[in-house]
Amino acid sequence: KNEVEQSPQNLTAQEGEFITINCSYSVGISALHWLQQHPGGGIVSLFMLSSGKKKHGRLIATINIQEKHSSLHITASHPRDSAVYICAVMNNNAGNMLTFGGGTRLMVKP
Amino acid sequence: EPEVTQTPSHQVTQMGQEVILRCVPISNHLYFYWYRQILGQKVEFLVSFYNNEISEKSEIFDDQFSVERPDGSNFTLKIRSTKLEDSAMYFCASSDTRVQETQYFGPGTRLLVL
Repeated sequence: KNEVEQSPQNLTAQEGEFITINCSYSVGISALHWLQQHPGGGIVSLFMLSSGKKKHGRLIATINIQEKHSSLHITASHPRDSAVYICAVMNNNAGNMLTFGGGTRLMVKP
Repeated sequence: EPEVTQTPSHQVTQMGQEVILRCVPISNHLYFYWYRQILGQKVEFLVSFYNNEISEKSEIFDDQFSVERPDGSNFTLKIRSTKLEDSAMYFCASSDTRVQETQYFGPGTRLLVL
């Protein structure tokens, strides 16, 4: 079973700061997802990665397959970025089943 | 932009009652999923569905649970005899292909079992 760990669990930042959220997993994967969960509970998919790096606006996601590690970066953070960020992995031998990390709760203060 | 919808948004039921949670996936998607999140805990995979049959299920998805695509648009999760520990947020998701593809999540149904 894949163990997915995220750090930090909670993060408070000032508006404008550069933010990094980390995700590590224990077993080889076919893909990794970064998700955003809003205070109301809704989940939005941010990125799906199988190698390298992806960028969308102020968000950047990287993955190192050899190290079994991924990072999500937010540049020029804004209070509207406040949410829970969740890493989820798709295991090599488990088809399309996702295993989720516990999430990182981010609060960006103005 | 197309989106996954779920009904109801909230449901309260008595222990032992049957509940059906409904989802309308994105129209051209072929793979459908149910997840649940117990309050304060991680999101957990329940089941995936393709071509009118279950493709994968977790150990949580026992005989109390069933899924169905009764028509061309709806995808349902039935819990036959609810238990207190079934109280959770249930998310439906859909994707276009099986692996290495973004899954689009619905807004969730919050189920409370009393």
